[in-house]
Amino acid sequence: SQELEQSPQSLIVQEGKNLTINCTSSKTLYGLYWYKQKYGEGLIFLMMLQKGGEEKSHEKITAKLDEKKQQSSLHITASQPSHAGIYLCGADRNFGNEKLTFGTGTRLTIIP
Amino acid sequence: DAGVIQSPRHEVTEMGQEVTLRCKPISGHDYLFWYRQTMMRGLELLIYFNNNVPIDDSGMPEDRFSAKMPNASFSTLKIQPSEPRDSAVYFCASSLATPWAAKNIQYFGAGTRLSVL
Repeated sequence: SQELEQSPQSLIVQEGKNLTINCTSSKTLYGLYWYKQKYGEGLIFLMMLQKGGEEKSHEKITAKLDEKKQQSSLHITASQPSHAGIYLCGADRNFGNEKLTFGTGTRLTIIP
Repeated sequence: DAGVIQSPRHEVTEMGQEVTLRCKPISGHDYLFWYRQTMMRGLELLIYFNNNVPIDDSGMPEDRFSAKMPNASFSTLKIQPSEPRDSAVYFCASSLATPWAAKNIQYFGAGTRLSVL
């Protein structure tokens, strides 16, 4: 079974609409990392969350980590075509560990 | 900096042939990671190095896979002999050891798309 579950697996959203992607773990996380991947390219780091209840924003993207550090959400406000791609969450499960486990990804399509 | 550089970008080979994938990490980075991405299994960590030393190769699928890092600026992932089920996109990533909070911010190359016929 996947250690990190992402939902939904795919999402089609009209340009200008808001959307949320979730990442859930059955175990407490020491760190949660959001990445974005465009087709044919590598992953690009978006944000890192480490403290329970932490929230970070960059442009129109906001990521939150719940108090128990087992679930994170990525929220995009007023979506644009440039937001299209695959969003992956990654987590480190052991304190001080440099190894990441990744979720299965959420494929986001923005339609005009 | 040019970022993590992988070569080739695409590789098509026949079953049984040897395949070598190459990676140049970002200068000054301490960690280097090799991943494999498929539709079925997602992004899987194969092996990673710290200061050119392999730390964890538990993700390497079988003895047909081997990875080396002869110096801080170069790493290879070799498959010998290749099989159709090895078809995937292989990514290399690198990261810094310090500051501690940045340890898991990995920078990815564009990947090598491998097709084994």
